[in-house]
Amino acid sequence: RKEVEQDPGPFNVPEGATVAFNCTYSNSASQSFFWYRQDCRKEPKLLMSVYSSGNEDGRFTAQLNRASQYISLLIRDSKLSDSATYLCVVKGSGSGTYKYIFGTGTRLKVLA
Amino acid sequence: GAVVSQHPSWVICKSGTSVKIECRSLDFQATTMFWYRQFPKQSLMLMATSNEGSKATYEQGVEKDKFLINHASLTLSTLTVTSAHPEDSSFYICSTRTGWGTDTQYFGPGTRLTVL
Repeated sequence: RKEVEQDPGPFNVPEGATVAFNCTYSNSASQSFFWYRQDCRKEPKLLMSVYSSGNEDGRFTAQLNRASQYISLLIRDSKLSDSATYLCVVKGSGSGTYKYIFGTGTRLKVLA
Repeated sequence: GAVVSQHPSWVICKSGTSVKIECRSLDFQATTMFWYRQFPKQSLMLMATSNEGSKATYEQGVEKDKFLINHASLTLSTLTVTSAHPEDSSFYICSTRTGWGTDTQYFGPGTRLTVL
C-alpha cells in the first residue's frame, strides 16, 4: 500500500462546478498535511495547509479526518485557471518528521 | 513564502557526461534543502536531504556516488548527476524547509534533464 494515495483522475468538470478530491494516508502518526498545486512541467506550489478543524481559503476548503486517515480538498465555482494537478502531501513522523511524502496527484481539467 | 531558484531550468546532455544543478534560497538561510526527482506522470520522489556543512542523507535506492550533493552554504545546494544516462532523464526539483510555523517546503522551479 502506498503511503499517500490519490485518485489520479482526470476530473473533467465544467466551469462553475464544485469538485472534491480525497487523499488517504497510511501512517497514523503523521502530523502535518498540505495540498499543493502543480501545473504541467512546473514545480509544486503550496495551495494550503490542512488543519484538524478544517480550513477555508476563498473557493478552496480542506478537511482532515484523522480517524479515517483521509484529507479532502473542495473547490467551489471552478475556474479554467484551476486546471492543474493537485498533490496531497503528508509530512512524515518519527525520525523522518521533516520529510514530505507526495501522492501521485489528481488531475483536474475545468472545461469552458 | 520563501523564494527558491534553480539553475539551469533545462539541460540536454550526452550520455556519460556530468551535469550540475544549483539550488539557491534567495530570501532566507536554509539549513536544510531537499532534492526530488519526478518522472512523467509520477509523483515527486525524495532523493536526498541536504544539510549545510554536513553530508547529505540519501533515500533508499538512490546512489550517493552517482548523485553528488554539496551544501556548502546556507543559501546554496548543488546536485551533480555523474555519468548521466538516458534513464536519468527526469525533472529534478529542490526545496527548502522554512523550519518555522507549519514547516512548509517551498520548491524551486525545477530542472528538466534530458540525456541523449
